[in-house]
Amino acid sequence: AQSVTQPDIHITVSEGASLELRCNYSYGATPYLFWYVQSPGQGLQLLLKYFSGDTLVQGIKGFEAEFKRSQSSFNLRKPSVHWSDAAEYFCAVGQYSSASKIIFGSGTRLSIRP
Amino acid sequence: EAQVTQNPRYLITVTGKKLTVTCSQNMNHEYMSWYRQDPGLGLRQIYYSMNVEVTDKGDVPEGYKVSRKEKRNFPLILESPSPNQTSLYFCASSSQRELYNEQFFGPGTRLTVL
Repeated sequence: AQSVTQPDIHITVSEGASLELRCNYSYGATPYLFWYVQSPGQGLQLLLKYFSGDTLVQGIKGFEAEFKRSQSSFNLRKPSVHWSDAAEYFCAVGQYSSASKIIFGSGTRLSIRP
Repeated sequence: EAQVTQNPRYLITVTGKKLTVTCSQNMNHEYMSWYRQDPGLGLRQIYYSMNVEVTDKGDVPEGYKVSRKEKRNFPLILESPSPNQTSLYFCASSSQRELYNEQFFGPGTRLTVL
C-alpha cells in the first residue's frame, strides 16, 4: 500500500535562509506526488505536483521539488524563505488504482525566525 | 470566484446530537471528498464521490454519512457525534477530465464534540 513519511514534525529556519522539507514515499510503480501548503486558518493549496518527465518540478511561491526514484524521495526546497512561508506543509502521493485518491503525510510545520 | 465553501466554520456540539456540515463547489467538479485532520496524522479521507449519486468509503468512514444528490453539494452527516470525532474537517473537489487533477480545498470546519 502507498504511504508517505514526513520525518520532520517541526522545522524553524531564519528568514532569508534556504529550506528543505523531506518527504519519502512508498509505492510500487511511478508515483504521482504532490506538495500542499496550509496557512494558519486556511484550507490546503497545491504548491506543485509531479507525474512524469523532468524530475525537478517548479511550483508556486518560489518552491521547487526534486523526485529521486533511487531514494524514494520528493523533497521540497526554497532558496530563501519569507516570513509568509510559515505554514504547515503536506506531501502526498496519488493512488493509481483509484483516480483522485490521495494519501497525505502527517505534515511538517514550518516556523520562520525573524 | 472558483471556490469550495463549507458551513459552519466552527461548531461546538454535544454527544449524540445529529449535525450536518455542508460543502459546495462552483467549479462543476465531478469529484468531491471529505477529510479529517488530526495532529500528527495528516489528512485522512472519510468519504468521496466520483459523481452525482456515486459515493464510496475512504479510510475512516465509521460514524459518518454523505450524500451527493447534486453535483455542487456534498454534505457530511454525523448522525450521533462522539468526542472522538472532534477534529478539523476539509471538503475538497477536483475535475475528472485528467487523472490526478489538483484538488481544491475548502477553508475547513472545526468541530468540537463535548
